Amino acid sequence: DTGVSQNPRHKITKRGQNVTFRCDPISEHNRLYWYRQTLGQGPEFLTYFQNEAQLEKSRLLSDRFSAERPKGSFSTLEIQRTEQGDSAMYLCALHVRTVTSGANVLTFGAGSRLTVL
Amino acid sequence: AQKITQTQPGMFVQEKEAVTLDCTYDTSDQSYGLFWYKQPSSGEMIFLIYQGSYDEQNATEGRYSLNFQKARKSANLVISASQLGDSAMYFCAMSHRLSGGYQKVTFGTGTKLQVIP
Repeated sequence: DTGVSQNPRHKITKRGQNVTFRCDPISEHNRLYWYRQTLGQGPEFLTYFQNEAQLEKSRLLSDRFSAERPKGSFSTLEIQRTEQGDSAMYLCALHVRTVTSGANVLTFGAGSRLTVL
Repeated sequence: AQKITQTQPGMFVQEKEAVTLDCTYDTSDQSYGLFWYKQPSSGEMIFLIYQGSYDEQNATEGRYSLNFQKARKSANLVISASQLGDSAMYFCAMSHRLSGGYQKVTFGTGTKLQVIP
């Protein structure tokens, strides 16, 4: 159990459709991240929330992408007018302090895999 | 700019043998963190081990150890006594703490490890 629930796990959509992914932290975490991972690559940063405030956005986040975190709990990532290049795994992550090292590390959810036909 | 380089796209190791996965990094910052994550075929990113730039001793977590050579800017992962369940993608990552509690984390392209019975 990673402490982060993501839904849906898989989404297949046609080009031009809108999709929304949801990230639910199991407990309160003030720092939440979205990453995107394409085939054969490591995760790439998309955006960062501290509570409900979106403090950082990557250039990868075009105007078709919007992320929200109302009330500083769950977060949604919406992609409008999807393109085939949007096909990827979308990962939500929290900062969690590890017991062993005491460091804050990114703890990822299982991800939402998007396939755009 | 921060950069992580993993030069081994794929590695094979015999079960019960040790294996080293290479990682070099580039940064001009004095304070940073180094991480390794495991990603099995299920897709979930699993945190393995952390090393802080000011830590003098190499980090160890069970069968995982991080061979940190600061002058060479390398942070290799050593897995001892490989098991079949170790077959996965392994990602090296580096973090820098910026303002607002945001940590910029950069990932490498990964190494696919296959453990042979």
